[in-house]
Amino acid sequence: AQSVAQPEDQVNVAEGNPLTVKCTYSVSGNPYLFWYVQYPNRGLQFLLKYITGDNLVKGSYGFEAEFNKSQTSFHLKKPSALVSDSALYFCAVRPGRDDSWGKFQFGAGTQVVVTP
Amino acid sequence: SQTIHQWPATLVQPVGSPLSLECTVEGTSNPNLYWYRQAAGRGLQLLFYSVGIGQISSEVPQNLSASRPQDRQFILSSKKLLLSDSGFYLCAWSVAGQGGRPPLHFGNGTRLTVT
Repeated sequence: AQSVAQPEDQVNVAEGNPLTVKCTYSVSGNPYLFWYVQYPNRGLQFLLKYITGDNLVKGSYGFEAEFNKSQTSFHLKKPSALVSDSALYFCAVRPGRDDSWGKFQFGAGTQVVVTP
Repeated sequence: SQTIHQWPATLVQPVGSPLSLECTVEGTSNPNLYWYRQAAGRGLQLLFYSVGIGQISSEVPQNLSASRPQDRQFILSSKKLLLSDSGFYLCAWSVAGQGGRPPLHFGNGTRLTVT
């Protein structure tokens, strides 16, 4: 069975400071990992994904994430947070199989609050 | 480019009334389609998914059903709503035929309140 943990319910950061949102996962075999962002009363927006290759993945809006296989982590990062980054962030994992459809397992979400 | 449309944006329905939420995808063919429910603004629960017309898989037993009458149309229904059906319903699609690689793309959701 696959699972995703986002250990922080909320992350508070001042504008201009670096932002990190943590995610750890458990999946059999190689994982496909994803980050999404959700603004109030909106659907989730895809930010970035790790499939294979370089452990540092760059995505939309200046976000990046680092895949660490030994620590089974996929933390989301942004060097300088903006007030507009305040939102709910979801990490998701899928089994790394290309031979069949795979279900997403989403974390519980981390609320990011960026203060001016 | 691909777009996903979901409507209505908000809905208030009395207990016992029927429900029909519609989702359509444009700009792609034979997508995988999904219905999720998000409770209390947090956790996402997969309700149904579909890999083709008329092919629906249910993830949890519930008061809801789904149908896919056309390739890019996905409908969530209920014959009689319960109070517990209140929530934020999200439709999503992904590219088919690439296993686990493609991301999900979500609609803007429907806020359902059952009174």
